[in-house]
Amino acid sequence: NAGVTQTPKFRVLKTGQSMTLLCAQDMNHEYMYWYRQDPGMGLRLIHYSVGEGTTAKGEVPDGYNVSRLKKQNFLLGLESAAPSQTSVYFCASRLRTDTQYFGPGTRLTVL
Amino acid sequence: GENVEQHPSTLSVQEGDSAVIKCTYSDSASNYFPWYKQELGKGPQLIIDIRSNVGEKKDQRIAVTLNKTAKHFSLHITETQPEDSAVYFCAAFEPTGYSTLTFGKGTMLLVSP
Repeated sequence: NAGVTQTPKFRVLKTGQSMTLLCAQDMNHEYMYWYRQDPGMGLRLIHYSVGEGTTAKGEVPDGYNVSRLKKQNFLLGLESAAPSQTSVYFCASRLRTDTQYFGPGTRLTVL
Repeated sequence: GENVEQHPSTLSVQEGDSAVIKCTYSDSASNYFPWYKQELGKGPQLIIDIRSNVGEKKDQRIAVTLNKTAKHFSLHITETQPEDSAVYFCAAFEPTGYSTLTFGKGTMLLVSP
């Protein structure tokens, strides 16, 4: 049981490049979330999903897209990366109960 | 939506002392309040949580208290150890809206030997 995993762990992009971050969970959780963490800003919700095939916008969705084609995976895409998207990205998941589990994070730098 | 305020932003204590971190929330509908510990380079890990029908919960050296009337909750760590040094986040779960946690901005706890 690996819990929540994220790929890749680190990535450097140039402005305008695109990439996809992958989140996978093996706990059969229905809800999945993408957050970004910036110094002094805490954890801010980007997008979330309440089940396979569903997605919704969170607090800071601009510049990101997501997809949840399979229950265990939640993908976060950046179509045209900007320096303002330099951050640490965390995925999380939970069942219908409230306990939320986080992945180890992806550190993204956009030059 | 929910708003969570957390204080202090940094806290330095000597090993063996107690540490207290306080949070307030705005939405009376919030009903679940977890605390997460984040070590450098890692994801947040749940350390203790409390639900709105309970006033206090304890797990070894860690305790959390909740005052629903005042809309605040606190984390208490007794007999602190250097390995307690980390960033701690409080959060509140609002069962409507995003149906997710709203986090405080975090407290960096430094425990000196």
